[in-house]
Amino acid sequence: AQSVTQLDSQVPVFEEAPVELRCNYSSSVSVYLFWYVQYPNQGLQLLLKYLSGSTLVESINGFEAEFNKSQTSFHLRKPSVHISDTAEYFCAVDTGGFKTIFGAGTRLFVKA
Amino acid sequence: DTGVSQNPRHKITKRGQNVTFRCDPISEHNRLYWYRQTLGQGPEFLTYFQNEAQLEKSRLLSDRFSAERPKGSFSTLEIQRTEQGDSAMYLCASSISGTSADYEQYFGPGTRLTVT
Repeated sequence: AQSVTQLDSQVPVFEEAPVELRCNYSSSVSVYLFWYVQYPNQGLQLLLKYLSGSTLVESINGFEAEFNKSQTSFHLRKPSVHISDTAEYFCAVDTGGFKTIFGAGTRLFVKA
Repeated sequence: DTGVSQNPRHKITKRGQNVTFRCDPISEHNRLYWYRQTLGQGPEFLTYFQNEAQLEKSRLLSDRFSAERPKGSFSTLEIQRTEQGDSAMYLCASSISGTSADYEQYFGPGTRLTVT
C-alpha cells in the first residue's frame, strides 16, 4: 500500500526567506507525485506534478520540487517566499490506478 | 470552463437521516473522484469513476455510502443513516485522460456535512 508523510505540520517563515516543505512516500511500484495548494477559503489546486522525465519540476509561481527515487522524497522548495504563499500544501502520490493518496498537509505561514 | 461545482455547500442533518450531494465536473472531463477531508487531514480517497463506470472504491466507503455517475456527467454521493463520524468536508474532483493534463485533478469547493 502507498502512503505519504509530510514531516512538518506547520512551517512559519519570514517573507523573502527560503522554504522547504518535506514529503516522503512509500510505494513498491512506480509513482506519480503531486503538490496541491489550498489558499485560505479556496479549493485545492494543483501546484506541480512529476510523471516522468526530469526529476526537477517547477510551478509558475516559483516553487520547485525534486523527485528523489532513492530517498523516496518529493520535497517542495522556494528560494524566496511572499505573504501570498501563505496556504496549506498537500503532497500526493498516485500509482496510475487513479487512487490518489494525500499527505496530512503542511501549513505554510509567511510572516512580514 | 466553469470549474467543478458542488451542491449544497453546507448540509446540517440529524443522525440517522440520509443525505445526497451532487458534483458537476468540468464538462469534458471523463474522470471523477470523491474524497472526504476532516480537520487537520488531507483528502481521503473514497471512489473514482471513468465515464459512468465506478472503477475504484475505498474500503472507507461502507455500505451506507453509494455513488453514481449516470451517463458519465454529474455524480451523486449518498450517505444513508448518517452518523456523527460522517461529519467532514466531501470533495469532488475531475480530470481528463489522454492529454498533457493527464492526472491533473481539478477540485470543487466541497460540501461540508455536519451530523448532529
